[in-house]
Amino acid sequence: EAQVTQNPRYLITVTGKKLTVTCSQNMNHEYMSWYRQDPGLGLRQIYYSMNVEVTDKGDVPEGYKVSRKEKRNFPLILESPSPNQTSLYFCASCHLGYEQYFGPGTRLTVT
Amino acid sequence: SQQGEEDPQALSIQEGENATMNCSYKTSINNLQWYRQNSGRGLVHLILIRSNEREKHSGRLRVTLDTSKKSSSLLITASRAADTASYFCATDGSGNTGKLIFGQGTTLQVKP
Repeated sequence: EAQVTQNPRYLITVTGKKLTVTCSQNMNHEYMSWYRQDPGLGLRQIYYSMNVEVTDKGDVPEGYKVSRKEKRNFPLILESPSPNQTSLYFCASCHLGYEQYFGPGTRLTVT
Repeated sequence: SQQGEEDPQALSIQEGENATMNCSYKTSINNLQWYRQNSGRGLVHLILIRSNEREKHSGRLRVTLDTSKKSSSLLITASRAADTASYFCATDGSGNTGKLIFGQGTTLQVKP
């Protein structure tokens, strides 16, 4: 089944404790992206990747890192999480110019 | 930056009625997409319409695009309670970066 998976789905952590949210897709998509969704602010892009080893900042990259060592994986790294990174995170992938497939989301709470 | 703006923000209708949602955007685009999101869940792609298309259908969904007015509409005909969700339009901008810019969404409630 074609899908984008994210792990974990729910995470509660404390300020400053490094964490990684994994994202994997099985559709051989070259393009992958991370979004965060916040009430009243909608979905905003954090980082994206056009292909392996090619990443770039989106609209809200501060406090996040990404890597794209393999085509299927695009982890999101929070080196020192802060409470303002409490949010619902989505990973997405696609062939450029076509519809994006979204993962189920990761609800992160930073206390 | 939010390019797409949906109207209305919220819509409540009875089952069987049609629901129309509108989206406006600011810059030129390659394509415009509509997504559905059930509460707190992932986004599901509904329809992609390219800038050279004016209308597209998929089942009970009809999407129109007017690039001169920079606007799009999503019509759901014969709505069902299961259509209750938030609906978002997203534009890709004219560059080929793959980046989607989402509107704030329309929350649709279909009452049985």
